[in-house]
Amino acid sequence: DGGITQSPKYLFRKEGQNVTLSCEQNLNHDAMYWYRQDPGQGLRLIYYSQIVNDFQKGDIAEGYSVSREKKESFPLTVTSAQKNPTAFYLCASSFAGGLGEQYFGPGTRLTVT
Amino acid sequence: AQTVTQSQPEMSVQEAETVTLSCTYDTSESDYYLFWYKQPPSRQMILVIRQEAYKQQNATENRFSVNFQKAAKSFSLKISDSQLGDAAMYFCAYRSAYGGSQGNLIFGKGTKLSVKP
Repeated sequence: DGGITQSPKYLFRKEGQNVTLSCEQNLNHDAMYWYRQDPGQGLRLIYYSQIVNDFQKGDIAEGYSVSREKKESFPLTVTSAQKNPTAFYLCASSFAGGLGEQYFGPGTRLTVT
Repeated sequence: AQTVTQSQPEMSVQEAETVTLSCTYDTSESDYYLFWYKQPPSRQMILVIRQEAYKQQNATENRFSVNFQKAAKSFSLKISDSQLGDAAMYFCAYRSAYGGSQGNLIFGKGTKLSVKP
């Protein structure tokens, strides 16, 4: 089955620790995205990548980092510099052209205490 | 910059009835795409329906249809014969037809739909 996987579903960390969220897709999509969702908010774009070995900052990139070494994978690291890391994180992917509709993974709920 | 506004934070509908969720957007572009996504309690985002701005015909997917008014920059979602499984957050999203960062999705803040049995 083609799709997007995110792991783990729930993640707990102590303040001051970096944590990496996994995102893998087997849809042969060119572009991948990371979003953050907070209660009462829409989705806010953290980082995106349209091709391997290249990525750009979204609207709220501070305190986050990414890599895109393979087409299928786009891990997100939440660093200790992120002031309010507790949130729901969604990964998405799409083809670069045309409608470019994005398909989403199941998300990771990160709690930092 | 483009913006998407969903003016109804919450809506409620009786099972089997019809409900319409509103979405307006602001853009100076003539070519773009519009989407409705559903996020049920599982929090998995699911694409419900899509509309290309150059198409005058409103998109339809089974019980879901849109009313696309390009001049008014309005893109409402109509759900017919509402079912309990339709209860979810619904997000409207805009995407420019141009490439680069302009091609990223811009989301509204969502409308929470409740379905009463």
